[in-house]
Amino acid sequence: QKEVEQNSGPLSVPEGAIASLNCTYSDRGSQSFFWYRQYSGKSPELIMFIYSNGDKEDGRFTAQLNKASQYVSLLIRDSQPSDSATYLCAVIVSGSARQLTFGSGTQLTVLP
Amino acid sequence: GAVVSQHPSWVICKSGTSVKIECRSLDFQATTMFWYRQFPKQSLMLMATSNEGSKATYEQGVEKDKFLINHASLTLSTLTVTSAHPEDSSFYICSARDLSGGELFFGEGSRLTVL
Repeated sequence: QKEVEQNSGPLSVPEGAIASLNCTYSDRGSQSFFWYRQYSGKSPELIMFIYSNGDKEDGRFTAQLNKASQYVSLLIRDSQPSDSATYLCAVIVSGSARQLTFGSGTQLTVLP
Repeated sequence: GAVVSQHPSWVICKSGTSVKIECRSLDFQATTMFWYRQFPKQSLMLMATSNEGSKATYEQGVEKDKFLINHASLTLSTLTVTSAHPEDSSFYICSARDLSGGELFFGEGSRLTVL
């Protein structure tokens, strides 16, 4: 079982819609969760991190964490074509040297 | 925000040659830097953890004699791909964490093509 799993997509949503990206992780002891956006040929850039159960909002982005279900999601409201990218879920696995373990990423396309 | 710079951003080399990639933290000191490799349409795979002043810790399956990592100062780590082969062609990305152990910052990545 992969430590961090994401639906690879592609996920297509119309402009203005809500895009929902999901991620599950296997290590129940994981404490820190991150969402990165990666444009083709570019390095990942941090969108949000979340440590506590519940929702965390930042502008159009909302991260949701449910540790009991080992599930973290990212919602993008009012999706824009510029949001089209691959979204990577990353987890700091317990017992590691605090390095990130990445999911395979979900490719999102926002259609104008 | 903090900046991590990688150089070169892209490099083409012949099979059998060695290539060095530099990763610098420009406005903060990083005791730990991480090297990732990303093949097309795949996720980032951690290759090794580079610690200033000590030997790097390599992930399972990564050849330490092929991927030489040196972290000689708090602002510079280098990855040398020795005797590169076409299968080493990939996008190599470094990341660095500042001394407070906070946010992880990524370099711009270095695309290696081995002919």
